[in-house]
Amino acid sequence: NAGVTQTPKFRVLKTGQSMTLLCAQDMNHEYMYWYRQDPGMGLRLIHYSVGEGTTAKGEVPDGYNVSRLKKQNFLLGLESAAPSQTSVYFCAGGNRGRTEAFFGQGTRLTVV
Amino acid sequence: AQSVSQHNHHVILSEAASLELGCNYSYGGTVNLFWYVQYPGQHLQLLLKYFSGDPLVKGIKGFEAEFIKSKFSFNLRKPSVQWSDTAEYFCAVNEGANYQLIWGAGTKLIIKP
Repeated sequence: NAGVTQTPKFRVLKTGQSMTLLCAQDMNHEYMYWYRQDPGMGLRLIHYSVGEGTTAKGEVPDGYNVSRLKKQNFLLGLESAAPSQTSVYFCAGGNRGRTEAFFGQGTRLTVV
Repeated sequence: AQSVSQHNHHVILSEAASLELGCNYSYGGTVNLFWYVQYPGQHLQLLLKYFSGDPLVKGIKGFEAEFIKSKFSFNLRKPSVQWSDTAEYFCAVNEGANYQLIWGAGTKLIIKP
């Protein structure tokens, strides 16, 4: 049981480049989330999904897109990276209501 | 909008000192409450959670938290901290059966050996 797995773990991008972060879970979570973590700002929700084929915007969605074609995978895309997107990105999975979220190991992204 | 406040952004303690980290939330209805810990360079892990029942909940590694509904608070406590407790601690809340967790900004705890 791998839990929630993110790839890659580290990445450096040049401004304007694109990339996709992959989150895979084998815990049968209905809900999946993408967060970014910046110093002093806690976790901010970028996008989330409440089921296969559905996505929705979170608190800070601009500059990101997501897809959830399969229940176990949740992809986060950056179409044109900007230095302001330098952050640590966490994926999480969970279910409705009285359950906790389970986090991946994080992806440290630097945009230069 | 719902919010979660963690009043202390940085806390420095000596080993064996007692710890209390504050967490207040703004929602007045039924809530589920969580404390997560993030050790340096690692992902977030659940410390403890409260859904209902006894307002004093015990978690892993000797941590406990008390839910005080009248104060909208869910403070984290540990009687005697260890150097290995150095980490960042996050409080999170969701409303009833809602999907979305609302997060506090985190408290960085440094334990001096």
